[in-house]
Amino acid sequence: ETGVTQSPTHLIKTRGQQVTLRCSSQSGHNTVSWYQQALGQGPQFIFQYYREEENGRGNFPPRFSGLQFPNYSSELNVNALELDDSALYLCASSLGWIQETQYFGPGTRLLVL
Amino acid sequence: QKEVEQNSGPLSVPEGAIASLNCTYSDRGSQSFFWYRQYSGKSPELIMFIYSNGDKEDGRFTAQLNKASQYVSLLIRDSQPSDSATYLCAGGPTGRRALTFGSGTRLQVQP
Repeated sequence: ETGVTQSPTHLIKTRGQQVTLRCSSQSGHNTVSWYQQALGQGPQFIFQYYREEENGRGNFPPRFSGLQFPNYSSELNVNALELDDSALYLCASSLGWIQETQYFGPGTRLLVL
Repeated sequence: QKEVEQNSGPLSVPEGAIASLNCTYSDRGSQSFFWYRQYSGKSPELIMFIYSNGDKEDGRFTAQLNKASQYVSLLIRDSQPSDSATYLCAGGPTGRRALTFGSGTRLQVQP
């Protein structure tokens, strides 16, 4: 167990809806990164938060947004869901953004119908 | 060209054999490399990381890095059926915000 938790574990939404996924990082970790993993692919970087500020972003549209809270927990919000958003969403925490060893939570599996 | 390339497999080895998993990368700025194991339906689990050229051993696992050839490998000695999983290679230069993952190699260890 990495100490990183995510909720919910599974979610079903319809196209056009909005979703919020949550992550609690490992104790003492102030950096959270979010990844999207489609079936049969490696995780793709969405964005990273360090001390409540966005610290980097991958090639995802603005309808993917996030927050990090003072206790370093984090949210991923996706607006206007599309069928291709169906994937496993992974949150990873690390001790600072310079320390790149990232520990993953169990993930949230999102299905968009 | 993908930044991190892995053979998708499956790589099939008999129980007790050495499994060799390989990964190449295109970004010469990459400084650190990670191997994660992912069981079906689960999230990636960190096995090892390596920053320096050469070998790094941890139990049955040995990671090898050759920056001149832009090549990373993972050897699993005395493979067990419980090692059957997808192995993800990831790279990231120091200071970069993200890890770049390959698509993973599926390993099957036959009893």
